[in-house]
Amino acid sequence: EPEVTQTPSHQVTQMGQEVILRCVPISNHLYFYWYRQILGQKVEFLVSFYNNEISEKSEIFDDQFSVERPDGSNFTLKIRSTKLEDSAMYFCASRQYGNTIYFGEGSWLTVV
Amino acid sequence: QQQVKQSPQSLIVQKGGIPIINCAYENTAFDYFPWYQQFPGKGPALLIAIRPDVSEKKEGRFTISFNKSAKQFSLHIMDSQPGDSATYFCAAQPTGFQKLVFGTGTRLLVSP
Repeated sequence: EPEVTQTPSHQVTQMGQEVILRCVPISNHLYFYWYRQILGQKVEFLVSFYNNEISEKSEIFDDQFSVERPDGSNFTLKIRSTKLEDSAMYFCASRQYGNTIYFGEGSWLTVV
Repeated sequence: QQQVKQSPQSLIVQKGGIPIINCAYENTAFDYFPWYQQFPGKGPALLIAIRPDVSEKKEGRFTISFNKSAKQFSLHIMDSQPGDSATYFCAAQPTGFQKLVFGTGTRLLVSP
């Protein structure tokens, strides 16, 4: 079964450093997402991306965050200057048409 | 108000029992209600979903009951098994938006 793959699975970074989280969505999917989950809390929407542009973003997704689809397969989330409160599991997700959103296994980011 | 309230926070049932997880919403502009199952260290996986024009949907041992007038929906797991032990999230999608709004999650433990 096709799946969303994410790298790295775990990254530790120092506060203030830039981080790039990478995702390969399911091929032939059209809509791409990033969500995050702080330990023990609910999953929160960050941003959606369609047709090479951001289609929707939450208040969490401020100027520190950016997304990019540099080629036909990868979808990246960049955090420019990480803060302690950015420590969370970041999930990439994708969907084709319809409502079913498929999530990756996540990238666990620890900011120290 | 784009919030989904979920209860209980945690639930323990014996094997064969029928755990019930409840969710409530206030925004009438939600039009898609999925349930996700999440195992530790994994991403959320779609379990079952319903639209508000249907009052019940059953897939295998999982049933969603939907009460549009009360703005509530619930997940029932028939003949629960230890392998069902996971965190369950309800979610809702606002009409015309791409994001999912997640509930706070229910940690289910099915004892052997």
